[in-house]
Amino acid sequence: GENVEQHPSTLSVQEGDSAVIKCTYSDSASNYFPWYKQELGKRPQLIIDIRSNVGEKKDQRIAVTLNKTAKHFSLHITETQPEDSAVYFCAASTAAGNKLTFGGGTRVLVKP
Amino acid sequence: EPEVTQTPSHQVTQMGQEVILRCVPISNHLYFYWYRQILGQKVEFLVSFYNNEISEKSEIFDDQFSVERPDGSNFTLKIRSTKLEDSAMYFCASSGDRGLFGYTFGSGTRLTVV
Repeated sequence: GENVEQHPSTLSVQEGDSAVIKCTYSDSASNYFPWYKQELGKRPQLIIDIRSNVGEKKDQRIAVTLNKTAKHFSLHITETQPEDSAVYFCAASTAAGNKLTFGGGTRVLVKP
Repeated sequence: EPEVTQTPSHQVTQMGQEVILRCVPISNHLYFYWYRQILGQKVEFLVSFYNNEISEKSEIFDDQFSVERPDGSNFTLKIRSTKLEDSAMYFCASSGDRGLFGYTFGSGTRLTVV
């Protein structure tokens, strides 16, 4: 089955700096890659997603890149703010209606 | 914005007791899921449900677990005889029409087995 690895497990950045989180996946059939932000005790909230027919997607300060050949995808947060502090999870899925396989999570701390 | 609703938000139960976790998915969604998150760990898939039957389940989803969609709106997860290691946050999710992604997670039920 699918295996998703996520690095780093913790990331501390200064406010205003960029944060980058990387994920690799094992199943070449995966074609949907969402990123979730989870605050303490809350549900995972989708922040951005990308499908396999696209190499990059951007939404304001957040961008995701996908390299299908290398089977890895990354989340980039620019101009970080204290409210970006949370745990971020990447995930992968092979088709609509199929399960999400999550990475292990990255705890991001943005220091003011 | 439509939401996935879960009840209760927190459930404390004695080891060996049965619990039922309830979810109301988004009304026009077709796929329903249960995920589990042990404190401080990643979100793990338990089961997916489509067209009134289980479409996929993980190794975690053993004979102690069952799911049901009894009335066309609720989607329940039953744990027959709870163990200490079942203590976790349980998230229900739903997703849309065939060919579309867009999972929406509920706010979760924190299950504590004592």
